[in-house]
Amino acid sequence: DAKTTQPNSMESNEEEPVHLPCNHSTISGTDYIHWYRQLPSQGPEYVIHGLTSNVNNRMASLAIAEDRKSSTLILHRATLRDAAVYYCIRQGSNDYKLSFGAGTTVTVRA
Amino acid sequence: EAGVAQSPRYKIIEKRQSVAFWCNPISGHATLYWYQQILGQGPKLLIQFQNNGVVDDSQLPKDRFSAERLKGVDSTLKIQPAKLEDSAVYLCASSLALYGGAETQYFGPGTRLLVL
Repeated sequence: DAKTTQPNSMESNEEEPVHLPCNHSTISGTDYIHWYRQLPSQGPEYVIHGLTSNVNNRMASLAIAEDRKSSTLILHRATLRDAAVYYCIRQGSNDYKLSFGAGTTVTVRA
Repeated sequence: EAGVAQSPRYKIIEKRQSVAFWCNPISGHATLYWYQQILGQGPKLLIQFQNNGVVDDSQLPKDRFSAERLKGVDSTLKIQPAKLEDSAVYLCASSLALYGGAETQYFGPGTRLLVL
């Protein structure tokens, strides 16, 4: 039970922003939102996580809705190396495992 | 900082044979995970260790799969005997602590298993 909903796929042009939505309407107050991505033939890698406030790091930004029922991962300028499957995952403070869904496959056009 | 190491990277075996995978987590990481990823799906947790103790093995098919982490560092995952449906990528991950929330898991490159 991944407990999040994401689109199956998205396409983007190189150097344009990508906005990846995630729905987590049943989220509880102590659940974090994590994003991981998996490049072809590699293991998943951490992208970003947040609880309530928007978060930025060198890879991406995470915008969390005020009611926390949805969030958006923002890749500011997509490159060909950003083509991957992106997973949105809820994880409570007492959870010890990540429950992966099918994720969103992002394709970047040159 | 060295990442999570796994070997072998690829393995082809025939059904009913046995196979073993090895994982070396990031130094100092107490928690180690084994995931199975079938083509087209997200990873599924098989077993989780905290140091050398098992935290969760509820998704591990114990009639054929086994795993150990004897000294709280390296871990091995074994399948005996293998079935066709075991064809998948086996991922190892590690993290500093047990409980989640803000904890980050670091994944190895995986072992791609093909059972013929």
